[in-house]
Amino acid sequence: GAVVSQHPSWVICKSGTSVKIECRSLDFQATTMFWYRQFPKQSLMLMATSNEGSKATYEQGVEKDKFLINHASLTLSTLTVTSAHPEDSSFYICSARDPESTYEQYFGPGTRLTVT
Amino acid sequence: AQKVTQAQTEISVVEKEDVTLDCVYETRDTTYYLFWYKQPPSGELVFLIRRNSFDEQNEISGRYSWNFQKSTSSFNFTITASQVVDSAVYFCALSEIYNFNKFYFGSGTKLNVKP
Repeated sequence: GAVVSQHPSWVICKSGTSVKIECRSLDFQATTMFWYRQFPKQSLMLMATSNEGSKATYEQGVEKDKFLINHASLTLSTLTVTSAHPEDSSFYICSARDPESTYEQYFGPGTRLTVT
Repeated sequence: AQKVTQAQTEISVVEKEDVTLDCVYETRDTTYYLFWYKQPPSGELVFLIRRNSFDEQNEISGRYSWNFQKSTSSFNFTITASQVVDSAVYFCALSEIYNFNKFYFGSGTKLNVKP
């Protein structure tokens, strides 16, 4: 199956700094990518839908100025957590939709963010 | 609105027991997909199965089987003869067809298989 990678796999940053997480589709062009957030022992919550070449669509309650999403190419979407705070510590997972399929969506391995 | 409910927060079984994980969903769509994923401690989601809403046939894959009943909006997952390696969190999810395939995940069921 298709592969989606995320980088970094884990990151520790200081409160007030910004951190960027990359999501890449390695063997297909993804016109749509999704970003999820998972707190410990909780489910995955969709944060935003990212479409190549256009602004991301954020779910209700997600601060778009805090979680900046850029989908500049068909194989790369980035999530930047700006002015991170300890409450932003979480597991962030991206997924990429294969436009050649009506249903296939591939998940990345996740990025664990810890803000100290 | 789309909603997926996994009422079992945590289940503990002894190795070789059979276990069923429940999943109930709500959707206004007539066409959708249902999924099960396994999430081991590493965090990476492992795809287990996808089911089209038009296909109500049950499926068996080795020790895994799935029972899809549209009449009760349920998509239950059974592990036969459980093993310690089955210990993980299992998520049921529903995917829309017409909205960029947005996924809606259940809250997950943590399965503990003890030796």
